[in-house]
Amino acid sequence: KNEVEQSPQNLTAQEGEFITINCSYSVGISALHWLQQHPGGGIVSLFMLSSGKKKHGRLIATINIQEKHSSLHITASHPRDSAVYICAVRGSGGSNYKLTFGKGTLLTVNP
Amino acid sequence: DTGVSQDPRHKITKRGQNVTFRCDPISEHNRLYWYRQTLGQGPEFLTYFQNEAQLEKSRLLSDRFSAERPKGSFSTLEIQRTEQGDSAMYLCASSGQGGDTQYFGPGTRLTVL
Repeated sequence: KNEVEQSPQNLTAQEGEFITINCSYSVGISALHWLQQHPGGGIVSLFMLSSGKKKHGRLIATINIQEKHSSLHITASHPRDSAVYICAVRGSGGSNYKLTFGKGTLLTVNP
Repeated sequence: DTGVSQDPRHKITKRGQNVTFRCDPISEHNRLYWYRQTLGQGPEFLTYFQNEAQLEKSRLLSDRFSAERPKGSFSTLEIQRTEQGDSAMYLCASSGQGGDTQYFGPGTRLTVL
């Protein structure tokens, strides 16, 4: 079992829909990251969370440390949101620099 | 542009050849990471440098792989005697002293024929 599990693997939505991507992890962490990857490889960091909730524009990320679960929400989705969204956790203690990634969720938003 | 850069962006090679990739991190960043990503998977950690010191190397990094960061600035990743299983995207990232946010380069896509 992977240390970081994401669901769903693939998600297709219509423009304007509210989208949720989930991430569960099984190890102790110092922080959780949500990343966006567009075709061609470029990865952009969206959020880093160690507790609670963060919001940036139409994106909201939440984390529940006790349940080892995080969600990424996109409100009023748009075709330009189409990308792979990746959850990654940063280890605790001596491994607090290393990221362990989920497999990613491929989001397609249709006009 | 002061982001992380990688060179080359694409490399096609024949099995058995050696390849070398370069990563230039954001200039003030002292931490540098290499990751490998295969199709449909998330990136996997390969190795980590703090300044010029290589502090961790994943078991994924066989003895055909070597990485250096000689002056604590740019880094190189060399793969000797490439195999078809080495075909992947090789990603480099860097972060500052706090190490919180990693900034990724565009990656080098390697295809081994």
